[in-house]
Amino acid sequence: AQSVTQPDIHITVSEGASLELRCNYSYGATPYLFWYVQSPGQGLQLLLKYFSGDTLVQGIKGFEAEFKRSQSSFNLRKPSVHWSDAAEYFCAVGAREYGNKLVFGAGTILRVKS
Amino acid sequence: EAGVAQSPRYKIIEKRQSVAFWCNPISGHATLYWYQQILGQGPKLLIQFQNNGVVDDSQLPKDRFSAERLKGVDSTLKIQPAKLEDSAVYLCASSLDFGGEQFFGPGTRLTVL
Repeated sequence: AQSVTQPDIHITVSEGASLELRCNYSYGATPYLFWYVQSPGQGLQLLLKYFSGDTLVQGIKGFEAEFKRSQSSFNLRKPSVHWSDAAEYFCAVGAREYGNKLVFGAGTILRVKS
Repeated sequence: EAGVAQSPRYKIIEKRQSVAFWCNPISGHATLYWYQQILGQGPKLLIQFQNNGVVDDSQLPKDRFSAERLKGVDSTLKIQPAKLEDSAVYLCASSLDFGGEQFFGPGTRLTVL
């Protein structure tokens, strides 16, 4: 069965520090991978996506993610966190073989301390 | 470009009552999705429409949930009767076509007492 694991429920980082959010997936097909961000009371906004090609993907707001097939991972990174990055982050996976239906992880809540 | 619109934003009902949510996707988007997001979990797809036809409703509890997308534009999701475990945020999303980037609305937060 398809599944996405985000091991960290909460992460707290200092403003200006680097950030890495972990995502591991289990999927029986070549995956498409996504990172979404959700601020309180808001819908999900797409940060970046990986379909194929270069395994290092650049997204909006200075985020990037690296697809590592051997580790079944798609970790999200940012070199310097801003207070406005505080939100909940979701990793999601889909595949054409499964009708492009997205399966989401449980999310990681990011807190930024000044 | 206007985003995905949803109403109401909040709804409180008692168990066994009925409730309906409305979604208006981005103009021209053929694919529409309804997700359920329970507190502490990621969104779970309930149903996916391509124009006015259902593509996937495998995770929709059909004994109490129903959805329609008349004329292939806006959509309504209904729960009848509601249970306590239906308390969640219901998210609507749309994409230009099947498999395209999904754009999400702000959601409807349902509380069942």
